[in-house]
Amino acid sequence: GAVVSQHPSRVICKSGTSVKIECRSLDFQATTMFWYRQFPKQSLMLMATSNEGSKATYEQGVEKDKFLINHASLTLSTLTVTSAHPEDSSFYICSARDYRDADNSPLHFGNGTRLTVT
Amino acid sequence: GQQLNQSPQSMFIQEGEDVSMNCTSSSIFNTWLWYKQDPGEGPVLLIALYKAGELTSNGRLTAQFGITRKDSFLNISASIPSDVGIYFCAGSFYNQGGKLIFGQGTELSVKP
Repeated sequence: GAVVSQHPSRVICKSGTSVKIECRSLDFQATTMFWYRQFPKQSLMLMATSNEGSKATYEQGVEKDKFLINHASLTLSTLTVTSAHPEDSSFYICSARDYRDADNSPLHFGNGTRLTVT
Repeated sequence: GQQLNQSPQSMFIQEGEDVSMNCTSSSIFNTWLWYKQDPGEGPVLLIALYKAGELTSNGRLTAQFGITRKDSFLNISASIPSDVGIYFCAGSFYNQGGKLIFGQGTELSVKP
């Protein structure tokens, strides 16, 4: 149980275009999902908290107009990288927990999306 | 800001050896988690710790939640080649909406 599916797993786009990444909880519902970013050989850095039915909460230094988050249902959150540039190339990973679980219960992670901007 | 300091950054060991890694924080955590990440994949949960002093095992893995709530260690006994990967500690605070903060990771290499 507790499977998080992320799509696409890899995407290559041209500079200036926008890319949408989907994160789905397959066998549970999540009122909150978390988006992380990971550069090679580095840790996972929290970008934002996606809240179902309301605005996302962004971490300090993350541009909300650059990284648009929509959490339209209890099983789907999307991250759109707008006007992508080569420096946005990274590994983006989403995570979630069952809304019935406590806030300190473990997060379950998707398999990530490798974004390459040329 | 909230930071987790994880060490060592990397380890090169022989198959069969034991491994130990740890995380420290300047802040108190209410939960410590240990994850493993294989290349190109998301992290997978290994062990979750919820109480100060708690010692939990998962097969050859053992982790402890420090008494001060500011540190945790992970031990792997009798390492095997499939233990290769990056191990992350992660912590969550009270009243932070359930978000996790990650350590820098420990890259483990196991020589057969």
